Amino acid sequence: TQLLEQSPQFLSIQEGENLTVYCNSSSVFSSLQWYRQEPGEGPVLLVTVVTGGEVKKLKRLTFQFGDARKDSSLHITAAQPGDTGLYLCAGENQGGKLIFGQGTELSVKP
Amino acid sequence: EAGVAQSPRYKIIEKRQSVAFWCNPISGHATLYWYQQILGQGPKLLIQFQNNGVVDDSQLPKDRFSAERLKGVDSTLKIQPAKLEDSAVYLCASSLDGAGGYEQYFGPGTRLTVT
Repeated sequence: TQLLEQSPQFLSIQEGENLTVYCNSSSVFSSLQWYRQEPGEGPVLLVTVVTGGEVKKLKRLTFQFGDARKDSSLHITAAQPGDTGLYLCAGENQGGKLIFGQGTELSVKP
Repeated sequence: EAGVAQSPRYKIIEKRQSVAFWCNPISGHATLYWYQQILGQGPKLLIQFQNNGVVDDSQLPKDRFSAERLKGVDSTLKIQPAKLEDSAVYLCASSLDGAGGYEQYFGPGTRLTVT
C-alpha cells in the first residue's frame, strides 16, 4: 500500500515567518502534486513536480521533489494571512491514481 | 468555463438512512472521480469512471455504497444504509483523461453528517 506522510499536521505562525511542510513516502511516484484547500471548497492544484530534484517556484512558495521521487517539500517565505488553509500533497502512481497525504493545516496570524 | 458542480452541499441524516449525491463534471471531461475526505485526513479515492465505465472501485464499500455514470456525463453516489463512520466530505473531481498526467479539478464537495 502506498502511503504519504505529511508533517507537521498543524502549523500556527505569525505573519512574516517562514515555514516548510514535508511529504514523505517509501514509494516512488510518477509525479507529486501540491494542493491548497479552503473551508467548504475542494482542493485546488498549486503545482506538479515530475523530475527528481525538480524545484518550482510560485511567488513566495517553493516546491521541491526529492531526487528519488519519494518525497517533497513546500516552503513558504514571509507567510501572509491569505496563505491560511489546508495544504495537501498527492503522489501520482503509475496507474494515474492520486494518493493523498493527510494534510497540513496552516494558520497565519496577522 | 464552469467548474465541477455538486449537490447538495450539506446533508444531515440518521444512521441506517439512505442518501444520494450528485456531480456534474466539467464539460468534455471523460474521467470522473468520487473521493471521501474524513475530517483531518486527505481525500481517499472511492471510484473512478472513464466515460460510463468503472476503472477502479477497489476502495468502494460495495455493501453500502454504489455509484453510476449512466450517460458518461453526470454521476450519482449513493449510500444505503449509512453508518456513523460515513460522516465526511464527498468530493467529486473530473479530468480530461484518467491515464495520468492530467489535472484533476475538484468540486466544492458535499458535507455529510450521520447522527
